[in-house]
Order: sequence, then structure tokens, then C-alpha cells
Amino acid sequence: AAGVIQSPRHLIKEKRETATLKCYPIPRHDTVYWYQQGPGQDPQFLISFYEKMQSDKGSIPDRFSAQQFSDYHSELNMSSLELGDSALYFCASRNRDPTDTQYFGPGTRLTVL
Amino acid sequence: QKEVEQNSGPLSVPEGAIASLNCTYSDRVSQSFFWYRQYSGKSPELIMSIYSNGDKEDGRFTAQLNKASQYVSLLIRDSQPSDSATYLCAVVRGTGFQKLVFGTGTRLLVSP
Repeated sequence: AAGVIQSPRHLIKEKRETATLKCYPIPRHDTVYWYQQGPGQDPQFLISFYEKMQSDKGSIPDRFSAQQFSDYHSELNMSSLELGDSALYFCASRNRDPTDTQYFGPGTRLTVL
Repeated sequence: QKEVEQNSGPLSVPEGAIASLNCTYSDRVSQSFFWYRQYSGKSPELIMSIYSNGDKEDGRFTAQLNKASQYVSLLIRDSQPSDSATYLCAVVRGTGFQKLVFGTGTRLLVSP
């Protein structure tokens, strides 16, 4: 079965640079969530999109922005990167079934030097 | 206080034993409850979901939910070394495509 695809899988950036993370949800899934997981921490919700509209916003810095496109893929744009942005970034998708089940992609490991 | 609480562990059990993982949550409007397994550096993998009070069994895994006590648990029978991972309890509040709120996870170590 098709899973959530994230790219790139690894990314190394310098401080103050920008990064773009991409997420391709499972086919026919219309909701995308972004989570950030720092070392030794649990995943923290950043932002979500339903039918290409922002549906919820969590602890996402103002330096970050995101959007969902017409093909339902989503991009997380991160600017003025800081050392503390180094983390695993997961995308999860779900469809309209009532089970609330989210399926996670493999993640992007971002390292800021 | 975190909205979802778990004992960070590590919880050490011998191979073949039952591992019992516990989770409490603070928001009474929580509707959906999940257990994810996460290996180091990998993404969370859904193990079990539970929505109503009682037990739900799937193979070696049993999830238990008690909404009155705001308590969720996961039992792993016949634990295997490959079960060694961090188990994340996650909660969805209300309805309408809400986000997952995670606990800090319990690290399980199964020794051969």
C-alpha cells in the first residue's frame, strides 16, 4: 500500500539559511499534518491543512510557513534557520474516515550547523 | 503538566513476558486514543487505536481504555526483542480532524 512520502530525507543547512520540506500524502487523503520532534522529545504539532486550507496551527515559529497544493501535497518552508530547528520533521496524512487515524511519513532529518 | 503523561522508563522485561505500558490524559473531551511505536530515528508507526471504554485486542497487543479514570494502557504479550522501542501514547481531542497530542513516550527494552 502507498504510504506518505517525504523529501528530502536528510537536509543539512547553515544558520540563517532557508529550507523547504515536502510531503506527499497517501492517495485520497485530504488532510496533512506537520510535526517536529527534537532529540529525546515527543512529536509536537506545527500546522495542518484540510482541503488546501489551514485547519489548525500549533507551536510553529513565525519563520516557518506552509501550504497545501491542489494535488494535496504540502510544503513546509523554514527561513532564518536556527540551531534549535535541528529536528526530525514528520508529515502525517488522513482521510475523512471517522477514526482520526493519522499515518506518518518517514520524516526529514534537518541539521542546522 | 503535560496533557498526556507517560512513564519515560525504560521498562525492562524478559523475552516472552507481558509488557504493560500506561498513559493518562487530562482533557476529558478526548475522543480517540492511539499507541504508536517508534524506533530510534524512525517515524511513529500505528500499533493500536481505541475509541470506547474496554479492551481491544489485535494479535499480541491489547489496548485498554477507561474514560472515567482518563487512562489508556497497552499490553504486549509474548514480548520479543524486536518490540524494544519507544511507545508513544497519543490523544485526539474532540472531532473534526484534530491534531495528535503525544505523551513523552515509554522506552521498552525486551531482553533475550
